[in-house]
Amino acid sequence: AQSVTQLGSHVSVSEGALVLLRCNYSSSVPPYLFWYVQYPNQGLQLLLKYTSAATLVKGINGFEAEFKKSETSFHLTKPSAHMSDAAEYFCAVSEGNRDDKIIFGKGTRLHILP
Amino acid sequence: ETGVTQSPTHLIKTRGQQVTLRCSSQSGHNTVSWYQQALGQGPQFIFQYYREEENGRGNFPPRFSGLQFPNYSSELNVNALELDDSALYLCASSLAGKSRTLEGRAFFGQGTRLTVV
Repeated sequence: AQSVTQLGSHVSVSEGALVLLRCNYSSSVPPYLFWYVQYPNQGLQLLLKYTSAATLVKGINGFEAEFKKSETSFHLTKPSAHMSDAAEYFCAVSEGNRDDKIIFGKGTRLHILP
Repeated sequence: ETGVTQSPTHLIKTRGQQVTLRCSSQSGHNTVSWYQQALGQGPQFIFQYYREEENGRGNFPPRFSGLQFPNYSSELNVNALELDDSALYLCASSLAGKSRTLEGRAFFGQGTRLTVV
């Protein structure tokens, strides 16, 4: 069975500081891994996706994530936080080339401090 | 803008009632998945339809059912509503090939916020 664990339900960073959202996964097959963002009262928007190609994945809005098989991690980073980054972030995993049956983590609320 | 639309956006129902939520998939997508997102939680997979047939189900009781139509729009039906069914319901459309492997990615709608009182 596949699962993801997001470390920290709330993360606060100052505007301009590094954003680091942590995610560890469990999968019995090579996983596809995702980060989604959800703004208040909105649906999910895909930030980036790992599909077994390059281990460093660049996404939208300056975010990137690195797949580390040895650590079973897929942490999300952004060098400099912006106020507009305040949102809920979900790490997710799927079984191979099936990103339509996605298992989501519980989410991390990112707060940006002025 | 994902090309996936859900209706209605908000809905209030009474415990015991039945509800139908609708999803219009992105053009050409043959697969739709439904998710339930309770307040403060991540989305949970309910079920998926591929070319009008159920193609996988999560840990939800039979009173959660669905339909997918020839134009690939879909419905989620919930019978005998319970208070715990209050949640944001999300649909995601995608394109799967003959082997049902993904040939793109899933696009999510904005969701329907269901409140059961």
